[in-house]
Amino acid sequence: QVQLVESGGGLVKPGGSLRLSCAASGFTFSDYYMSWIRQAPGKGLEWVSYISSSGSTIYYADSVKGRFTISRDNAKNSLYLQMNSLRAEDTAVYYCARDKGTVTTLDYWGQGTLVTVSS
Amino acid sequence: DIQMTQSPSSLSASVGDRVTITCQASQDISNYLNWYQQKPGKAPKLLIYDASNLETGVPSRFSGSGSGTDFTFTISSLQPEDIATYYCQQYDNLLLTFGPGTKVDIK
Repeated sequence: QVQLVESGGGLVKPGGSLRLSCAASGFTFSDYYMSWIRQAPGKGLEWVSYISSSGSTIYYADSVKGRFTISRDNAKNSLYLQMNSLRAEDTAVYYCARDKGTVTTLDYWGQGTLVTVSS
Repeated sequence: DIQMTQSPSSLSASVGDRVTITCQASQDISNYLNWYQQKPGKAPKLLIYDASNLETGVPSRFSGSGSGTDFTFTISSLQPEDIATYYCQQYDNLLLTFGPGTKVDIK
């Protein structure tokens, strides 16, 4: 069965960096677009970034552009999010999700990993 | 960018009631609209895709309709396990946008 497992969250100071990972299993990872979505405490869902199946097409929300970098390693069935210059407003649960199409529908989600940016 | 609104922001209903949530897009998105359920402390779950298609394994009491800018999500008979926040999400021009969510609880 499809499984997505995020890791790498934690407490970091403003201006710091963190790298999130998402380990995928149960499907052919290299066939699918993947996304990162975040949810601040008590708030709604915010789509952060996506990457195409080959890694050649990438997009970022304006709120993270220039600070976050999405990448993938299809040989390792893994998705990554490098987060630099972190701000308090980046505090959120970060989910990775599989796209059943081409930037359309997120059909499987991981359980999420909490990132807290605080001094 | 396309903006999404949902109404109501929250509702209380009795078990067995019919529950309806609306979602409006700021411009025509055809049927490029999905609905997700998020229970407290859990990841979102896809319920409806392309406005009206029921995801595999989702109970038939959930349904969706609409096209263009106006969409509706319905629970035909509310069950205790349906307590959750429901989000619409549009996809258009290689961008995804979520609505603000509708919190549903039992009266």
